[in-house]
This record gives sequence, C-alpha cells and structure tokens, in this order.
Amino acid sequence: DIQMTQSPSSLSASVGDRVTITCRASQGIRNDLGWYQQKPGKAPKRLIYAASSLQSGVPSRFSGSGSGTEFTLTISSLQPEDFATYYCLQHNSYPYTFGQGTKLETK
Amino acid sequence: QVQLQESGPGLVKPSETLSLTCTVSGGSISGYYWNWIRQSPGKGLEWIGYIHYSGSTNYNPSLKSRVTTSIDTSKNQFSLRLKSVTAADTAVYYCARTSFDGNNYYLFDYWGQGTLVTVSS
Repeated sequence: DIQMTQSPSSLSASVGDRVTITCRASQGIRNDLGWYQQKPGKAPKRLIYAASSLQSGVPSRFSGSGSGTEFTLTISSLQPEDFATYYCLQHNSYPYTFGQGTKLETK
Repeated sequence: QVQLQESGPGLVKPSETLSLTCTVSGGSISGYYWNWIRQSPGKGLEWIGYIHYSGSTNYNPSLKSRVTTSIDTSKNQFSLRLKSVTAADTAVYYCARTSFDGNNYYLFDYWGQGTLVTVSS
C-alpha cells in the first residue's frame, strides 16, 4: 500500500494567517491526489482534485500544488470557517489511502 | 444536486454481518463508481472498496475476504455487506461517488452524511 504522511498532525493558527499542510507519498503518485476538509460530525468535503484543481464552489484562498511524492495544501488567509481537519487522499494505486489528517485549530 | 444517504442498523453483534445501503438521489447511479469508506478513531479514514454501475468491483485487500457489494440501478441504490464483524469494525461508514471522464478519475466529489455502526453484543 502507498503510505500518505501528512505534516503537521496539528496546527494552531489565527484568522488571516497563511497556512501550509504537506502530504508525502511513499512512492510516486503523479498528480493522483485530492484534499478534503472535514468538520466535526460531518462528511469530508473535497477541496482540491488532481493535486491542484480547485473544486467548484470552494473559495480561491485554497490552493494545492505538487506532483510525484510531495504535495501541499495552502490556505492563503484563514477564515473562521476554515478551522477543521484536512486529509489528503491518493488514488494512483489500489487500495486508495488517506493521510492521517491535520487538525487546524485556532490559536 | 446529487445526494447520497446511508441506511442500515446502527448496532451489529460480533461475528454477524453488517449491511448498509446507500440511496442516490438527484442524479443517476449509472456511469459512476460507488464507494464505501469508513472512519474510526483508531484507524482514521479507510477506503473499503467500490462497485461500478456495471457491477465490477474493487476492494481493499485488508477487507476483501469479508466484503461484498451490490448495486440496483433500478432503485438507484448500492449496498455493502461486511461479514464476521468484530469491535474493530465499529466506525462511521460513508458512501461516496467517483466519476471518470475517460482519462482521469475524480474521487469522492459527493458523500453521504455517514452512519455510525457499533459492533457490540
């Protein structure tokens, strides 16, 4: 299985901050990666697909980059509604695997 | 707007079979891959497998020996059966859609709200 390692596991930040979350794959996955946001008690919501394509309806402050083994999710200016847990997902090889999550908390 | 809704028992006894159904509304079940994903505190998010509208399937090897899925296009529903459950199968179970445009897969653009299944006697 491809292991997806996210860092950091948790992050404290303030409204207006620029935040970057990293996801590393244990082997190359081209750009077969998505980013998901999950709030407590809710299903994950797709933010980014194909590593850098913004899901329709998602604010432009979210962006994704990377290819191969290293990927980043950036939130350019944190808003109150962005405090949540973020997951990466690889779908290059079966079984699909998720990162362990990054919990974004208010400082 | 496509909506997915999981349904099924919230409590299953150890060694029995977990059965869930996902009903798709606001769109057709045809043309897509339909996935099951679960989330437990101990293991995070885990992809269980998918069933294509044609009936083809792909499962996570970690669960493959215990999982079966089925699809009923006339009812716009697909189902999951997980046999011989233990406490480790206690989780929130989600259904989600994958689309394919001929070149690329687009995973999990729509999700159900999730349903908690507890395995306990």
